[in-house]
Amino acid sequence: DAGVIQSPRHEVTEMGQEVTLRCKPISGHNSLFWYRQTMMRGLELLIYFNNNVPIDDSGMPEDRFSAKMPNASFSTLKIQPSEPRDSAVYFCASSLTGVTAKNIQYFGAGTRLSVL
Amino acid sequence: AQKVTQAQTEISVVEKEDVTLDCVYETRDTTYYLFWYKQPPSGELVFLIRRNSFDEQNEISGRYSWNFQKSTSSFNFTITASQVVDSAVYFCALSEASSGYSTLTFGKGTMLLVSP
Repeated sequence: DAGVIQSPRHEVTEMGQEVTLRCKPISGHNSLFWYRQTMMRGLELLIYFNNNVPIDDSGMPEDRFSAKMPNASFSTLKIQPSEPRDSAVYFCASSLTGVTAKNIQYFGAGTRLSVL
Repeated sequence: AQKVTQAQTEISVVEKEDVTLDCVYETRDTTYYLFWYKQPPSGELVFLIRRNSFDEQNEISGRYSWNFQKSTSSFNFTITASQVVDSAVYFCALSEASSGYSTLTFGKGTMLLVSP
């Protein structure tokens, strides 16, 4: 069974450009999470969705960041305009349902973003 | 607020040594879940184990074992007879039932380097 699929795996862009990261959750999972990983701050939750609805976006660092989940099998995280400090690894994770603390989150391979 | 502390930033051992990774958590909830994830050099996050707050039985899976002690708010992870393939960053995480959702708070991780 396919796991969480993220694309691209690597992205190199120049400051000011728009960046779009993509995620396909595991089929049948109702909750989706976006994380950012940096050396300084570790793993931070940016936003999560339940049944395609954003539940909490308090972790989104700035208005330059936006996330959408138009359907149960696809989500995007967009940064516009990008800045060098956005360089990080961005992970997407999904779980069966988010409406319980016990569910296991399964992670994608991540997108390594470098903003020059 | 919940918090997870992994005080060991980096551990180096020689193959076949036993090694214990420490995890200490803080929460006001009586119902919560603890997790361990592994991040090998390839970068993906791999789920290892989930433990709920009402089950203090230790668990063993092959060379891996976990020791959960509510009295000290700790959930430590031991690898017996370590192997080079165990080299990775290991994360401990907490999910609280009161949050209503399976949001994870991660520790900063412990990098384990196993030398041949």
